[in-house]
Order: sequence, then C-alpha cells, then structure tokens
Amino acid sequence: GAGVSQSPRYKVAKRGQDVALRCDPISGHVSLFWYQQALGQGPEFLTYFQNEAQLDKSGLPSDRFFAERPEGSVSTLKIQRTQQEDSAVYLCASSLGDSSGNTIYFGEGSWLTVV
Amino acid sequence: AQSVAQPEDQVNVAEGNPLTVKCTYSVSGNPYLFWYVQYPNRGLQFLLKYITGDNLVKGSYGFEAEFNKSQTSFHLKKPSALVSDSALYFCAVRDGYGGATNKLIFGTGTLLAVQP
Repeated sequence: GAGVSQSPRYKVAKRGQDVALRCDPISGHVSLFWYQQALGQGPEFLTYFQNEAQLDKSGLPSDRFFAERPEGSVSTLKIQRTQQEDSAVYLCASSLGDSSGNTIYFGEGSWLTVV
Repeated sequence: AQSVAQPEDQVNVAEGNPLTVKCTYSVSGNPYLFWYVQYPNRGLQFLLKYITGDNLVKGSYGFEAEFNKSQTSFHLKKPSALVSDSALYFCAVRDGYGGATNKLIFGTGTLLAVQP
C-alpha cells in the first residue's frame, strides 16, 4: 500500500481481555517500530524490528505486551489481560532501512480504550 | 541518553504572521533531527529532517527548520502562518551512532493555534 496501514482503528476492550493490533508497513520497508501515545503526550517507544528480528523491546511496559513480525512484513502487537492504563493510541511506523537518516513513516494509529 | 525538549505547550499566532516552534535536544553522537505534525485523531505526518549539510532545512507545507549546533536547537519556522497549520507539532531526535536500534525519541509536543 501507499502508507503504513493499521487495524483496527478503534478498539474498546473490557478489562482483562486480550487484544491484537495489526500493522502493515510500507512495502519493502525493513525497519518497523511500535509506539504508544497517551492522551496529550508524545509517542513513547515500545519495540523495534529489523525484518523479522526483534532487536529492541526495551520499551514494552510489562510482560503482558508482546510483538511479533514472523515473516518480516506484517506485525502484530498483542496485549494480554488489558488494564485501564493500557488505554492509548498505538502507532506503528516503518522505514526503508536501518540508518538513522532514514525517515520513519507512521500509520494512523489504533485507538485502544479499556473499560 | 537522547532527549528532546519542547518548552512551549502552546504557541498562538495570528494568520499571516511568522511562527516559531522551539525544540532543543541532547544526544551522545551526531543528531538526526525530525519534525512531525499531528492533526486531531490522526497519525504523525513527517514534515522535515536534518541529517547533515545546510543548517536550514526546508520541508512540506512551507515549513523550515534551522539546526544550531552550539545551542543544540532545531526550531521549526514558517514565514506566514495559515489557520490550517493549527495542529500538534512534535520534534524528535535519533542518535547518529545508531547501534542495534535507531529509535526516535519525541518531545512532549507543542500545540500551534493560528487565529484568523
């Protein structure tokens, strides 16, 4: 596709439910990032993939958060046993290579509300 | 560790006037600097970046930014503001030393309000 595609755009989950958020990066992009953006805040890094390898997961807030990119393209962010503090926008982003100079392009985000 | 500061939560400017949104940064190595804009209920849109070379960088929608190494700043500017520029603006930095990850670190954002 032309840009980074995320689904679902909006998700309401009951506390304790598991959720899965999907990201389809720009075709051919090697690097893929997940960010979490709380209301009124800047995006916070969660995790980074280079192809299928998860090279950095230092930003994942707890072991309830899990991300994968098994074939080096589509990625899924899974949150188990959701809590109210997980309510946020989850942004996926991709870039062509792993150089610091590469532009990172963001999707529209998945808005998660935990009730 | 990398960090970015956006000292102003909000900037108000009249349409047609010049605007400046401030950003300062801290990195260990060479800074790679970015500006993004976010409209309500939307993702981040890339505006411009500084990698190397000319300190004045031009980007989308008439925006430009000036890299100042001595002041560790990368302020976003536009000569004549439009009401449609009203949005949330984020400055971000990557450390040029890279390594296994080259994540972007974002500031807290500045809300730009352009009055007609």
